[in-house]
Amino acid sequence: GAVVSQHPSRVICKSGTSVKIECRSLDFQATTMFWYRQFPKQSLMLMATSNEGSKATYEQGVEKDKFLINHASLTLSTLTVTSAHPEDSSFYICSAGAVFGAGTRLSVL
Amino acid sequence: DQQVKQNSPSLSVQEGRISILNCDYTNSMFDYFLWYKKYPAEGPTFLISISSIKDKNEDGRFTVFLNKSAKHLSLHIVPSQPGDSAVYFCAVPSFYNQGGKLIFGQGTELSVKP
Repeated sequence: GAVVSQHPSRVICKSGTSVKIECRSLDFQATTMFWYRQFPKQSLMLMATSNEGSKATYEQGVEKDKFLINHASLTLSTLTVTSAHPEDSSFYICSAGAVFGAGTRLSVL
Repeated sequence: DQQVKQNSPSLSVQEGRISILNCDYTNSMFDYFLWYKKYPAEGPTFLISISSIKDKNEDGRFTVFLNKSAKHLSLHIVPSQPGDSAVYFCAVPSFYNQGGKLIFGQGTELSVKP
């Protein structure tokens, strides 16, 4: 079946640094991918819609300059958390349609 | 405004018994519903779905029931097993089906005790 690969699965970084998370669709093309964020004990909150070849669409309250999304090809979307701070620590998950990646646990020290 | 609601944040069930997870939605135009299972530190995995043309869909130990008039669906797991312990999310495709965008409920954490 369709698989979405997300990398890295876990990242620990210092405050002020930037972190890039990759989301790849394997064996299928995805013109649209989605980035979610999950805080402990909470639901999956959609952050943005990643559109191949065009700008991402951000949900209300999500800072587009902080969470940079690039969808350069039909199989790859990246999320860059710029100048990360401890409050950005969370679990980030991407999806292509109904198929989800395994998630990335970001811890900002 | 929460369009998909799971009002029970947690549920504890004895192994071998039935687990019933509930989900309510507000928009009667929703016509397809999905259930996802999620373990800690992992992405959600698709479990089972149902189209609005049906009122029941069964897959092994998992059955989803849809009551369109009540805008309510439920996931039944029987018999429940300890490995079923996870967070369960119901989800619907966005009304305009924006390339697969899903709207999630808040999730219900199921704990199946041996």
